[in-house]
Amino acid sequence: EAGVAQSPRYKIIEKRQSVAFWCNPISGHATLYWYQQILGQGPKLLIQFQNNGVVDDSQLPKDRFSAERLKGVDSTLKIQPAKLEDSAVYLCASTGGVSREGTEAFFGQGTRLTVV
Amino acid sequence: ILNVEQSPQSLHVQEGDSTNFTCSFPSSNFYALHWYRWETAKSPEALFVMTLNGDEKKKGRISATLNTKEGYSYLYIKGSQPEDSATYLCASNPGYGQNFVFGPGTRLSVLP
Repeated sequence: EAGVAQSPRYKIIEKRQSVAFWCNPISGHATLYWYQQILGQGPKLLIQFQNNGVVDDSQLPKDRFSAERLKGVDSTLKIQPAKLEDSAVYLCASTGGVSREGTEAFFGQGTRLTVV
Repeated sequence: ILNVEQSPQSLHVQEGDSTNFTCSFPSSNFYALHWYRWETAKSPEALFVMTLNGDEKKKGRISATLNTKEGYSYLYIKGSQPEDSATYLCASNPGYGQNFVFGPGTRLSVLP
């Protein structure tokens, strides 16, 4: 079974530039998450999709961040324009379990973004 | 928004030592508690999904316990090895299909 794929692995941009990240979840997983992990902190949810619908985007800074999952499979996360404080690891995860014991999330390797 | 805490923030142990970490979460909203291991440059990897009060789970030298009434979970590593060096994250899941709320993690370094 292929894991969660993310690209790029690393990105360095200047502030005020735009950047996009891509995620392909495990085949058949309906739920997809984007997390932001700032150094020294735990991952923080940005947005959660169920198929192609948004379940939770309450912590997404909508003035600069956007995300879509148009066909309910892969997803893109965009930042426009980037700020210095957006420097973080952006993790994508998916879940597909239907039992309480099977709710573990499967993560991609993340994209490390540095804004200079 | 749930608040999940972990302690200690970081830990250095010698190879062969046993160690444990704590994760605390709100006991009022509980569905499942997850432990993940995150090695540098790799994906976070699920260790355990715990759902029932009193649960104890074991995978090799690593084990975990759960107390949902008081809102805490312990992760134990017996005979630490250098390859155990990683950040250990716990996450509380308040309901099916809902968001995971992560703690800040415990960074473990095992010195040979």
